[in-house]
Amino acid sequence: GESVGLHLPTLSVQEGDNSIINCAYSNSASDYFIWYKQESGKGPQFIIDIRSNMDKRQGQRVTVLLNKTVKHLSLQIAATQPGDSAVYFCAEKPAGNNRKLIWGLGTSLAVNP
Amino acid sequence: EPEVTQTPSHQVTQMGQEVILRCVPISNHLYFYWYRQILGQKVEFLVSFYNNEISEKSEIFDDQFSVERPDGSNFTLKIRSTKLEDSAMYFCASSRTGVGANVLTFGAGSRLTVL
Repeated sequence: GESVGLHLPTLSVQEGDNSIINCAYSNSASDYFIWYKQESGKGPQFIIDIRSNMDKRQGQRVTVLLNKTVKHLSLQIAATQPGDSAVYFCAEKPAGNNRKLIWGLGTSLAVNP
Repeated sequence: EPEVTQTPSHQVTQMGQEVILRCVPISNHLYFYWYRQILGQKVEFLVSFYNNEISEKSEIFDDQFSVERPDGSNFTLKIRSTKLEDSAMYFCASSRTGVGANVLTFGAGSRLTVL
C-alpha cells in the first residue's frame, strides 16, 4: 500500500545546530511533497514543498532534499531555534488529478537552549 | 494573515449522537478539506470539496460522514452517529486554485471525544 514513514520519531538538538529530519515514501509515482510543522495545540503549518522534477529547494533557513532513487525526503533546518520545536510531518501527493495528501507519522523536534 | 477558523475547539459527546464541526475557510480559497488525526497517529485525509461537491473522499469517509457548505463562508463536517473510534482531532483546511493549489492552510482543529 501507499505509506510515508519517518526514520526518527524524536530528534533533540542544541540551539544553533542544524537539524535534519528524514522521511521515506513508498509511492514512486508521487509527484509532489510537502513539509508541515505542527506546534502544540495548533494545526499543521506549511513549511516548504517540492515537486518530483526537482532535487532540492531552499527556503528561509530550511532546505528540502528529494532523492527519488531511494524514495527519500529530508528537511534541513539551519541554525535551529527554540521556536522550531514542534512535530514535523512530511506528506506526499500521488500523481494525477487529486488533492489527497498522504502523511507520515511525524518527527518531534526538541531544541535545547 | 488570513486563517482558517474552526469551532468548537473541543466537543465531548455520547456514542450514537450527531456532531457537527464547523469551519470558516480562507475567503478566496475554493478547495476545502477535512483531515483527522487520532492521538499519536498519522494525519488522515477524509474528504476534499470543490464547487459545492465532494471531489474526493477516503475509505474512512463512509455514510456516517457528510460535508456541507451551507452559505458563502462556512464548511461543515457532520458525523451522524458517532462511534468511540471517531474520537480524534479534526482539521479543516483550504487552498487556492492554480499556483499554490497544493498548499493547504489548516485550522487549529476541533478535538472530538466520544464517550
